[in-house]
Amino acid sequence: DVKVTQSSRYLVKRTGEKVFLECVQDMDHENMFWYRQDPGLGLRLIYFSYDVKMKEKGDIPEGYSVSREKKERFSLILESASTNQTSMYLCASSRMTDTQYFGPGTRLTVL
Amino acid sequence: QKEVEQDPGPLSVPEGAIVSLNCTYSNSAFQYFMWYRQYSRKGPELLMYTYSSGNKEDGRFTAQVDKSSKYISLFIRDSQPSDSATYLCAMSGPGGYSTLTFGKGTMLLVSP
Repeated sequence: DVKVTQSSRYLVKRTGEKVFLECVQDMDHENMFWYRQDPGLGLRLIYFSYDVKMKEKGDIPEGYSVSREKKERFSLILESASTNQTSMYLCASSRMTDTQYFGPGTRLTVL
Repeated sequence: QKEVEQDPGPLSVPEGAIVSLNCTYSNSAFQYFMWYRQYSRKGPELLMYTYSSGNKEDGRFTAQVDKSSKYISLFIRDSQPSDSATYLCAMSGPGGYSTLTFGKGTMLLVSP
């Protein structure tokens, strides 16, 4: 079974803090993705990576950065958290032309 | 026109009913079609994956793709309260890095 894990299920941070969300997959997948999910807006792609040290912007990259130093790990960084970044963050991974498998999500609250 | 349209629901049915969930899309380049199930406060889990047109069955679930109408469906037979969740359709085009375009999801409530 594909396993995608995320470092935290729930996270509370203060405005202006630097926030790291970690994602690890154990299936040697090439691609990894970060989404946020908000009521009424659905899933929106923030960034994705198709190889180590490679990254591509998704639909809403502003305010976020990513890091992929190892194939199995993909980190999402909020350089200076703001209240409008309060959301459910979902990580996913896939093979090159295969479907995506999601982690359990991190519910981030920025106060 | 949005790229993928999906009725948000909620769709309420009694236990045992046949459920039909649908998505329409505008991009004729889409070739891969997926359905995900998402329970409250959890990540989406892959339910069905089909390529191009046709039907695919897996237990109580049947996925149907009609590329000529740009319309996909998920049927659930003998629905159970445990099927209560949000169902997301997703699709992607040929090649590339398998980025998906998602519908916003339909909430399904199955009452005992």
